[in-house]
Amino acid sequence: DVKVTQSSRYLVKRTGEKVFLECVQDMDHENMFWYRQDPGLGLRLIYFSYDVKMKEKGDIPEGYSVSREKKERFSLILESASTNQTSMYLCASSLPPTSGADTDTQYFGPGTRLTVL
Amino acid sequence: SQQGEEDPQALSIQEGENATMNCSYKTSINNLQWYRQNSGRGLVHLILIRSNEREKHSGRLRVTLDTSKKSSSLLITASRAADTASYFCATDRYGNKLVFGAGTILRVKS
Repeated sequence: DVKVTQSSRYLVKRTGEKVFLECVQDMDHENMFWYRQDPGLGLRLIYFSYDVKMKEKGDIPEGYSVSREKKERFSLILESASTNQTSMYLCASSLPPTSGADTDTQYFGPGTRLTVL
Repeated sequence: SQQGEEDPQALSIQEGENATMNCSYKTSINNLQWYRQNSGRGLVHLILIRSNEREKHSGRLRVTLDTSKKSSSLLITASRAADTASYFCATDRYGNKLVFGAGTILRVKS
């Protein structure tokens, strides 16, 4: 079974702090994703990565950056946390297109509920 | 931007009844997926249906896809209290990315 883990289930930070959210997957997936989830808005893509050191902006990248130094780890960084970044953050991974499998199926971590005061 | 939109937003049924959720989308797709999310947790993949398929079954789940109407439905038969969760449809877009709808909250009362 694919396992995606996130460093914290709950996190409370203060406005202006730099925040790191870590995600690790154990199935050698090339693709990794960061979403935020807010009531009534579903999941919105922040950033994604197809390979080590490769990243692309999603739909709402403003205020966020990412780092992928190793294949299994994808970090989301809030450079200066703001109250409007209070949300549930979900990490996911998936297989690459060349695998021949259902490459659109994504495997999710348990989520990190971040509160910025 | 949201591609999939679920309907209804919330659904409350008795244990043993069937639950039907609908999803509409706007552009052409290669496949459509349904995910479940238990309260405060991550999403779990339930089923994927390809654009050339009309119906697919998995246990108590039945998914239909009508590409002419750009819609899909998820039927959960003989519901159980453990089915209480939010259900999301997701459509594919380029680059292995997905677009999720806002979800349907299902409550199964025992």
